[in-house]
Amino acid sequence: QKEVEQNSGPLSVPEGAIASLNCTYSDRGSQSFFWYRQYSGKSPELIMSIYSNGDKEDGRFTAQLNKASQYVSLLIRDSQPSDSATYLCAVRANNFNKFYFGSGTKLNVKP
Amino acid sequence: KAGVTQTPRYLIKTRGQQVTLSCSPISGHRSVSWYQQTPGQGLQFLFEYFSETQRNKGNFPGRFSGRQFSNSRSEMNVSTLELGDSALYLCASSLVPNNEQFFGPGTRLTVL
Repeated sequence: QKEVEQNSGPLSVPEGAIASLNCTYSDRGSQSFFWYRQYSGKSPELIMSIYSNGDKEDGRFTAQLNKASQYVSLLIRDSQPSDSATYLCAVRANNFNKFYFGSGTKLNVKP
Repeated sequence: KAGVTQTPRYLIKTRGQQVTLSCSPISGHRSVSWYQQTPGQGLQFLFEYFSETQRNKGNFPGRFSGRQFSNSRSEMNVSTLELGDSALYLCASSLVPNNEQFFGPGTRLTVL
């Protein structure tokens, strides 16, 4: 079992729609969760961090954390073609305090 | 504030050679992590340094090593290069371990 699991996609949504990206993790004691965006040929860029259960909003982005279900999600409202990228979920695991990344979900926003 | 810088940006080596990659973290950041990214394996953790000490190490062979200097700059070294070492090597810095990590542009290594 991988430490962080994501659906590889691609996830296709029309412009203006809500894109929902999901991530599950295996270490129940994990405390820190992050979403990164990576454009093709570029390095990952931090979008959101979340540390406690519930929702955290930043502009068009909302991160949701449910520690009981070991589940993290990222919602992108009013999706734009410029949001087309691979989204990486990252977890700082309690086990040896290591940082684990999911394999990423590729998002395509169609004009 | 300047971001994370990595040098060189591109590198071509042949099998058996060794390579050293450099990373300068964001000013004030004391923790540096290294990752290998390949299309097949995704982003794999190599190691993490804080205050010149290696805090964590991923599941890579001993050919991969690193160090951190007193100014928080870090280097990683790969000896006896293999074809499978061709990848994008990414450095990320954070204020302290467990904080948000910010990535540099990466070094694209090609082993022929």
